[in-house]
Amino acid sequence: QVQLVESGGGVVQPVRSLTLSCAASGFPFSSYAIHWVRQAPGKGLEWVAGIWYDGYNKYYADSVKGRFTISRDNSKNTLYLQMNSLRAEDTAVYYCARDSIVATMSGLDYWGQGTLVTVSS
Amino acid sequence: SYELTQPLSVSVALGQTARITCGGNNIVSKNVHWYQQKPGQAPALVIYRDTNRPSGIPERFSGSNSGNTATLTISRAQAGDEADYYCQVWASSSVVFGGGTKLTVL
Repeated sequence: QVQLVESGGGVVQPVRSLTLSCAASGFPFSSYAIHWVRQAPGKGLEWVAGIWYDGYNKYYADSVKGRFTISRDNSKNTLYLQMNSLRAEDTAVYYCARDSIVATMSGLDYWGQGTLVTVSS
Repeated sequence: SYELTQPLSVSVALGQTARITCGGNNIVSKNVHWYQQKPGQAPALVIYRDTNRPSGIPERFSGSNSGNTATLTISRAQAGDEADYYCQVWASSSVVFGGGTKLTVL
């Protein structure tokens, strides 16, 4: 069955860096676009970044552009999110979510359980 | 940037029909997807491409899209349908979510 498992969350000080991982299984990882979506405590969903199946096309929300980098290693079935210059407002649960086989057409059909990132001094 | 507008909350009596709207400029030209999120859980896709249900989603869930408004309809509402619901589109090279609607089943 399709599984997405995030890891790497924790407490980090402002302006420091953190890297999240999302390990995928149960489907041909290299055929799907994958996204990071976050949710601040008590707030709604906010898209962070997306990467297409081959790793060449990457898209970012304005709120993280220039600070976060999305990448993937298709040989390891793993998605990454390198987060630099972290701010208090980056505190959230970070989910990875699989896009449809034709990216953007049919929604995000599988989600991980999320990993909590807390930015605090 | 493209914006999606949802009501903060919707209430429905048990067994009745709930409608959750999602407003956006000419949203009919976009593929709208809907997610259900229960407390402490990850979101789950309940409608994709305006009107389609993923496998395992009850027929009570349906969607429509016209003009500037997309609608998620939940028929014969059950207590287990209480959740937050989000609409989503792809616009301007971004995934865009609505602010979310809290559905209360009375």
